[in-house]
Amino acid sequence: GNSVTQMEGPVTLSEEAFLTINCTYTATGYPSLFWYVQYPGEGLQLLLKATKADDKGSNKGFEATYRKETTSFHLEKGSVQVSDSAVYFCALFYGGSQGNLIFGKGTKLSVKP
Amino acid sequence: DAGVTQSPTHLIKTRGQQVTLRCSPKSGHDTVSWYQQALGQGPQFIFQYYEEEERQRGNFPDRFSGHQFPNYSSELNVNALLLGDSALYLCASNLRGREGYTFGSGTRLTVV
Repeated sequence: GNSVTQMEGPVTLSEEAFLTINCTYTATGYPSLFWYVQYPGEGLQLLLKATKADDKGSNKGFEATYRKETTSFHLEKGSVQVSDSAVYFCALFYGGSQGNLIFGKGTKLSVKP
Repeated sequence: DAGVTQSPTHLIKTRGQQVTLRCSPKSGHDTVSWYQQALGQGPQFIFQYYEEEERQRGNFPDRFSGHQFPNYSSELNVNALLLGDSALYLCASNLRGREGYTFGSGTRLTVV
């Protein structure tokens, strides 16, 4: 079936360090891919998305490229800030009008000053 | 423009009781999905409602049921609560078939 696997956390970085959170997926067909962020005590916010192969999603300095050949959608940021501390979820959407989102387990990021 | 509104924000129930959670979708959206997010886990799909009918269902027992009203708002009902039902319940709305999901802030359910 369709699924998302992302790297286990927690990830602890110093401010201005480079961030990579790995995400791979299994899907029939060609899903759209997303990264969501969840700050403590809050719901999910869409961070970025990509809808087809080789698309790059970007927002707030975060980037991810849809790699069909490796079924991956890794999240990167060149210089993290303390305010980036949150839980990050990779997700896929499949199924058109019958579609729904499938999430990975999440990766907690802590950024230290 | 109001986003997705969920109520209540927090709830404490006793094992065996029943609970109803409520969700008002974002204006313009017609489809509502419910997710259960256990502590330290990703959201798990419970079910999706469109045109007042359950259209899809995840791997959840029949104790979980729902409803959608003509104004697109939705309820999630859980009967015979178990300790393991303690979680954050998230409601998301979208326009049918479109990927633009908007999430509410969730209802934190604690079963004691």
